[in-house]
Amino acid sequence: DVKVTQSSRYLVKRTGEKVFLECVQDMDHENMFWYRQDPGLGLRLIYFSYDVKMKEKGDIPEGYSVSREKKERFSLILESASTNQTSMYLCASSITSGRRDEQYFGPGTRLTVT
Amino acid sequence: DAKTTQPPSMDCAEGRAANLPCNHSTISGNEYVYWYRQIHSQGPQYIIHGLKNNETNEMASLIITEDRKSSTLILPHATLRDTAVYYCIVLSGGYNKLIFGAGTRLAVHP
Repeated sequence: DVKVTQSSRYLVKRTGEKVFLECVQDMDHENMFWYRQDPGLGLRLIYFSYDVKMKEKGDIPEGYSVSREKKERFSLILESASTNQTSMYLCASSITSGRRDEQYFGPGTRLTVT
Repeated sequence: DAKTTQPPSMDCAEGRAANLPCNHSTISGNEYVYWYRQIHSQGPQYIIHGLKNNETNEMASLIITEDRKSSTLILPHATLRDTAVYYCIVLSGGYNKLIFGAGTRLAVHP
């Protein structure tokens, strides 16, 4: 089974802190994604990566950056956390094989910024 | 990007088939229909996908109309553990960019 793990299930940070959210997948997938999920807004794509050291902006990249130094690991960075970044953060990975674009999601990290 | 329309909520009795509809009238010829679900406090889970033929796997069946403007996800024997939000997604261009809408909240009751 594909396993996508995220470093924390719950996280509380203060405004202005630098926050690192880590995601690791164990299936050698090329593609990795970061989403945030908010009530009434559904899932929104922040950044994605289709290869090591490659990244692409999603729909809401402002206030975030990412790092992918190894194939299995994709990090989301909040340079200076703000209260409007309080949300559920979901990481996903997928393999690109023809049109087989099934994404496998981690359990999520619920981040609260106070 | 093709948009999808789903009912906000549905109920189903345990053991009965759950039929979840989705409209995607602006779908283009090379776009697939994907279904995911999200159980409370968990990440979304892939269920099934299809292009134009009906598909079946161990979790569900997907029926796509001939004009491809709508589809139905069928859970043949719903259980309480199938209570979740179900998302119908049409895959847009680029690198696997899924667009999640509001989905259908399915409640399976005893």
